[in-house]
Amino acid sequence: EVQLVESGGGLVQPGGSLRLSCAASGFSFSTYWMSWVRQAPGKGLEWVAHIKQDGSEKYYVDSVKGRFTISRDNAKNSLFLQMNSLRTEDTAVYFCAKMPCTTTSCYGFLYFDYWGQGTLVTVSS
Amino acid sequence: EIVLTQSPGTLSLSPGERATLSCRASQSVSSNYLTWYQQKRGQAPRLLIYGASSRATGIPDRFSGSGSGTDFTLAISRLEPEDSAVYYCQQYGSLPLAFGGGTKVEIK
Repeated sequence: EVQLVESGGGLVQPGGSLRLSCAASGFSFSTYWMSWVRQAPGKGLEWVAHIKQDGSEKYYVDSVKGRFTISRDNAKNSLFLQMNSLRTEDTAVYFCAKMPCTTTSCYGFLYFDYWGQGTLVTVSS
Repeated sequence: EIVLTQSPGTLSLSPGERATLSCRASQSVSSNYLTWYQQKRGQAPRLLIYGASSRATGIPDRFSGSGSGTDFTLAISRLEPEDSAVYYCQQYGSLPLAFGGGTKVEIK
Protein backbone atom coordinates (compact mmCIF):
# COMPACT_ATOMS: atom_id res chain seq x y z
CA GLU A 1 0.00 0.00 0.00
CA VAL A 2 1.32 3.41 -1.00
CA GLN A 3 1.79 5.71 1.98
CA LEU A 4 2.96 9.31 2.00
CA VAL A 5 3.38 11.03 5.35
CA GLU A 6 4.23 14.73 5.52
CA SER A 7 5.81 16.52 8.46
CA GLY A 8 7.49 19.79 9.30
CA GLY A 9 4.60 22.23 9.10
CA GLY A 10 3.94 24.87 11.69
CA LEU A 11 3.69 28.57 12.44
CA VAL A 12 6.40 30.82 11.02
CA GLN A 13 6.78 34.58 10.72
CA PRO A 14 6.84 36.33 7.35
CA GLY A 15 10.34 36.17 5.92
CA GLY A 16 11.09 32.97 7.82
CA SER A 17 11.98 29.48 6.62
CA LEU A 18 10.57 26.00 7.01
CA ARG A 19 11.53 22.57 5.68
CA LEU A 20 8.83 20.06 4.89
CA SER A 21 9.47 16.33 4.67
CA CYS A 22 7.52 13.47 3.13
CA ALA A 23 8.22 9.86 4.06
CA ALA A 24 7.22 7.43 1.32
CA SER A 25 6.56 3.71 1.55
CA GLY A 26 4.77 0.93 -0.30
CA PHE A 27 6.33 1.62 -3.70
CA SER A 28 9.72 1.98 -5.35
CA PHE A 29 10.27 5.63 -4.46
CA SER A 30 13.43 6.11 -6.51
CA THR A 31 11.67 5.24 -9.78
CA TYR A 32 8.91 7.87 -9.62
CA TRP A 33 8.65 11.60 -10.15
CA MET A 34 7.29 13.32 -7.02
CA SER A 35 5.51 16.58 -6.32
CA TRP A 36 4.22 19.09 -3.78
CA VAL A 37 0.71 20.55 -4.08
CA ARG A 38 -0.77 23.09 -1.69
CA GLN A 39 -4.22 24.27 -0.65
CA ALA A 40 -4.84 27.57 1.10
CA PRO A 41 -7.54 27.47 3.80
CA GLY A 42 -10.96 27.15 2.15
CA LYS A 43 -9.44 27.45 -1.31
CA GLY A 44 -8.58 25.21 -4.26
CA LEU A 45 -5.51 23.18 -5.13
CA GLU A 46 -2.26 24.66 -6.47
CA TRP A 47 0.69 22.73 -7.89
CA VAL A 48 3.93 23.93 -6.27
CA ALA A 49 6.80 21.86 -7.67
CA HIS A 50 7.86 18.47 -8.98
CA ILE A 51 11.13 16.59 -9.26
CA LYS A 52 12.58 13.87 -11.45
CA GLN A 53 13.63 10.48 -10.09
CA ASP A 54 17.32 11.38 -9.70
CA GLY A 55 16.70 15.02 -8.75
CA SER A 56 18.29 16.32 -11.95
CA GLU A 57 15.14 18.15 -13.12
CA LYS A 58 12.94 20.37 -10.97
CA TYR A 59 9.97 22.52 -11.95
CA TYR A 60 8.21 25.24 -9.94
CA VAL A 61 5.16 27.46 -10.11
CA ASP A 62 6.27 31.05 -10.72
CA SER A 63 5.08 32.31 -7.33
CA VAL A 64 7.66 30.18 -5.46
CA LYS A 65 10.62 30.27 -7.86
CA GLY A 66 13.76 31.45 -6.11
CA ARG A 67 12.21 30.93 -2.66
CA PHE A 68 11.33 27.20 -2.53
CA THR A 69 13.56 24.22 -3.33
CA ILE A 70 12.30 20.69 -3.89
CA SER A 71 14.72 17.83 -3.26
CA ARG A 72 14.74 14.13 -2.49
CA ASP A 73 16.82 11.45 -0.78
CA ASN A 74 16.17 8.15 -2.52
CA ALA A 75 18.22 6.21 0.03
CA LYS A 76 15.77 7.36 2.71
CA ASN A 77 12.62 7.30 0.54
CA SER A 78 12.05 10.94 1.37
CA LEU A 79 10.91 14.09 -0.42
CA PHE A 80 11.60 17.60 0.87
CA LEU A 81 10.48 21.17 0.32
CA GLN A 82 12.74 23.93 1.64
CA MET A 83 10.71 27.11 1.92
CA ASN A 84 12.52 30.43 2.40
CA SER A 85 11.36 34.06 2.46
CA LEU A 86 7.87 32.88 3.39
CA ARG A 87 4.91 35.17 2.77
CA THR A 88 1.45 35.23 4.29
CA GLU A 89 0.07 33.98 0.97
CA ASP A 90 2.11 30.78 1.39
CA THR A 91 -0.21 29.75 4.23
CA ALA A 92 -1.69 26.42 3.16
CA VAL A 93 -1.85 22.70 3.68
CA TYR A 94 1.03 21.19 1.73
CA PHE A 95 0.46 17.78 0.20
CA CYS A 96 3.15 15.39 -0.96
CA ALA A 97 1.97 13.60 -4.10
CA LYS A 98 3.26 10.76 -6.22
CA MET A 99 3.16 11.07 -10.00
CA PRO A 100 2.54 7.90 -12.07
CA CYS A 101 5.70 8.45 -14.06
CA THR A 102 8.69 6.15 -14.19
CA THR A 103 10.20 7.39 -17.42
CA THR A 104 12.93 9.99 -17.83
CA SER A 105 10.50 12.31 -19.57
CA CYS A 106 7.28 12.73 -17.64
CA TYR A 107 5.24 14.37 -20.38
CA GLY A 108 1.77 12.87 -20.37
CA PHE A 109 2.04 11.72 -16.75
CA LEU A 110 2.17 14.99 -14.84
CA TYR A 111 -0.75 14.23 -12.55
CA PHE A 112 -1.06 12.81 -9.04
CA ASP A 113 -2.14 9.25 -8.32
CA TYR A 114 -1.45 9.15 -4.57
CA TRP A 115 -1.50 11.91 -1.97
CA GLY A 116 -0.43 12.30 1.63
CA GLN A 117 -2.73 13.80 4.26
CA GLY A 118 -0.89 17.10 4.23
CA THR A 119 0.90 19.34 6.70
CA LEU A 120 -0.29 22.85 7.59
CA VAL A 121 2.03 25.80 7.15
CA THR A 122 0.87 29.08 8.68
CA VAL A 123 2.80 32.25 7.89
CA SER A 124 1.77 34.99 10.27
CA SER A 125 3.26 37.56 12.61
CA GLU B 1 -0.72 29.42 -19.18
CA ILE B 2 -3.99 27.46 -19.20
CA VAL B 3 -6.79 28.58 -16.88
CA LEU B 4 -9.50 26.06 -15.97
CA THR B 5 -13.01 27.23 -15.08
CA GLN B 6 -15.35 24.80 -13.38
CA SER B 7 -19.12 25.09 -13.24
CA PRO B 8 -21.41 25.13 -11.47
CA GLY B 9 -19.87 26.24 -8.20
CA THR B 10 -22.25 24.07 -6.22
CA LEU B 11 -24.55 21.25 -7.25
CA SER B 12 -27.28 20.06 -4.90
CA LEU B 13 -28.90 16.77 -5.91
CA SER B 14 -30.75 13.84 -4.39
CA PRO B 15 -29.47 10.27 -4.06
CA GLY B 16 -29.95 8.33 -7.26
CA GLU B 17 -29.77 11.42 -9.48
CA ARG B 18 -27.07 12.14 -12.06
CA ALA B 19 -24.49 14.92 -11.61
CA THR B 20 -22.82 16.66 -14.55
CA LEU B 21 -19.77 18.80 -13.80
CA SER B 22 -18.07 21.02 -16.34
CA CYS B 23 -14.43 22.06 -16.76
CA ARG B 24 -13.60 24.59 -19.45
CA ALA B 25 -10.02 25.45 -20.44
CA SER B 26 -8.83 28.86 -21.67
CA GLN B 27 -6.98 27.08 -24.50
CA SER B 28 -6.89 23.57 -25.88
CA VAL B 29 -5.53 20.96 -23.47
CA SER B 30 -2.77 19.04 -25.21
CA SER B 31 -3.67 15.41 -25.96
CA ASN B 32 -6.68 15.74 -23.63
CA TYR B 33 -4.35 15.49 -20.65
CA LEU B 34 -7.00 16.24 -18.05
CA THR B 35 -7.73 14.63 -14.71
CA TRP B 36 -10.52 14.77 -12.15
CA TYR B 37 -10.07 14.48 -8.39
CA GLN B 38 -12.52 14.06 -5.54
CA GLN B 39 -11.80 15.74 -2.21
CA LYS B 40 -13.96 15.00 0.79
CA ARG B 41 -14.00 17.36 3.76
CA GLY B 42 -10.77 17.17 5.73
CA GLN B 43 -9.20 14.61 3.39
CA ALA B 44 -6.60 14.53 0.67
CA PRO B 45 -7.75 14.54 -2.95
CA ARG B 46 -8.30 11.20 -4.68
CA LEU B 47 -7.65 10.57 -8.36
CA LEU B 48 -10.82 9.65 -10.24
CA ILE B 49 -10.15 10.13 -13.95
CA TYR B 50 -7.02 10.65 -16.06
CA GLY B 51 -6.60 11.24 -19.76
CA ALA B 52 -10.05 12.86 -19.74
CA SER B 53 -11.90 9.53 -19.72
CA SER B 54 -9.86 6.72 -18.10
CA ARG B 55 -10.95 5.68 -14.63
CA ALA B 56 -8.24 5.31 -12.00
CA THR B 57 -7.78 2.05 -10.13
CA GLY B 58 -10.71 1.20 -7.88
CA ILE B 59 -13.01 3.94 -9.11
CA PRO B 60 -16.58 2.71 -9.68
CA ASP B 61 -18.07 2.94 -13.14
CA ARG B 62 -20.65 5.44 -11.85
CA PHE B 63 -17.91 8.00 -12.50
CA SER B 64 -17.20 8.82 -16.13
CA GLY B 65 -15.19 11.50 -17.88
CA SER B 66 -15.55 12.86 -21.37
CA GLY B 67 -14.60 15.78 -23.56
CA SER B 68 -11.74 17.10 -25.60
CA GLY B 69 -9.98 20.31 -26.55
CA THR B 70 -11.33 22.95 -24.18
CA ASP B 71 -14.52 21.35 -22.83
CA PHE B 72 -14.55 18.45 -20.41
CA THR B 73 -17.23 16.80 -18.29
CA LEU B 74 -17.33 14.58 -15.24
CA ALA B 75 -20.58 12.64 -14.83
CA ILE B 76 -21.61 10.84 -11.69
CA SER B 77 -24.57 8.55 -12.16
CA ARG B 78 -26.76 7.16 -9.38
CA LEU B 79 -25.49 9.57 -6.75
CA GLU B 80 -24.79 8.16 -3.30
CA PRO B 81 -24.41 10.06 -0.01
CA GLU B 82 -20.67 9.24 -0.02
CA ASP B 83 -20.25 11.23 -3.26
CA SER B 84 -20.63 14.46 -1.30
CA ALA B 85 -17.32 16.25 -1.98
CA VAL B 86 -15.53 18.93 -3.96
CA TYR B 87 -14.41 17.84 -7.42
CA TYR B 88 -11.41 19.40 -9.17
CA CYS B 89 -10.16 19.13 -12.73
CA GLN B 90 -6.46 19.49 -13.56
CA GLN B 91 -4.66 19.86 -16.88
CA TYR B 92 -1.23 18.29 -17.33
CA GLY B 93 -0.54 18.99 -20.98
CA SER B 94 1.63 22.02 -20.26
CA LEU B 95 3.35 23.85 -17.44
CA PRO B 96 2.33 25.33 -15.14
CA LEU B 97 0.11 22.45 -14.08
CA ALA B 98 -3.26 23.96 -13.28
CA PHE B 99 -6.37 23.05 -11.32
CA GLY B 100 -9.87 24.37 -11.70
CA GLY B 101 -11.56 26.13 -8.82
CA GLY B 102 -13.71 23.12 -7.93
CA THR B 103 -17.37 22.13 -7.93
CA LYS B 104 -19.01 21.24 -4.64
CA VAL B 105 -21.52 18.40 -4.88
CA GLU B 106 -24.06 18.28 -2.09
CA ILE B 107 -26.38 15.31 -1.58
CA LYS B 108 -29.79 16.36 -0.25
